[in-house]
Amino acid sequence: DAKTTQPPSMDCAEGRAANLPCNHSTISGNEYVYWYRQIHSQGPQYIIHGLKNNETNEMASLIITEDRKSSTLILPHATLRDTAVYYCISLDYTGANSKLTFGKGITLSVRP
Amino acid sequence: ETGVTQSPTHLIKTRGQQVTLRCSSQSGHNTVSWYQQALGQGPQFIFQYYREEENGRGNFPPRFSGLQFPNYSSELNVNALELDDSALYLCASSSRVGGANVLTFGAGSRLTVL
Repeated sequence: DAKTTQPPSMDCAEGRAANLPCNHSTISGNEYVYWYRQIHSQGPQYIIHGLKNNETNEMASLIITEDRKSSTLILPHATLRDTAVYYCISLDYTGANSKLTFGKGITLSVRP
Repeated sequence: ETGVTQSPTHLIKTRGQQVTLRCSSQSGHNTVSWYQQALGQGPQFIFQYYREEENGRGNFPPRFSGLQFPNYSSELNVNALELDDSALYLCASSSRVGGANVLTFGAGSRLTVL
């Protein structure tokens, strides 16, 4: 079972910020939080990951609460092409583990 | 362009047949993993190969098997196909980014079992 929980769906207006929440209350100290997204009929695409500190890259920002029990992915200026299923996943960073446990994700719909 | 290519993109098989799906991952990525994604569900981990050895497996029966080759290519083989094996099969190679394993997925092979 996925160790993260996300609401099933949300929408936002094009050009506005999309804030996607994720709960990971049982996350351990060795686990990163990852975000991937999957646009219809394509493979999942890596967005960002973080451990304790907030992170930002060219795609998004990741805000992790101080107790690490939840996080928020922020797409600062959503476009129609950001419509996708977004997955929040926790994974132990030790070793070469590639076993991502996907839940159902959150479906983001960006409206014109 | 993801750097991970899969073939074929689509195929149709009948129940009881065998199928081989192929994946070519990025040079230098020693770990490859395979996922099954049924319609409307998130991907499910099948297994992982590291330096040509299986070193992790999900809840899939032995008729799901794999191979990894020195040239960073890999195969997923499924024997005795069942209707429930109809799914999108995803290959991913991993690399270290900032101390964490980051997976790069291919576009997948969509298998339909009739």
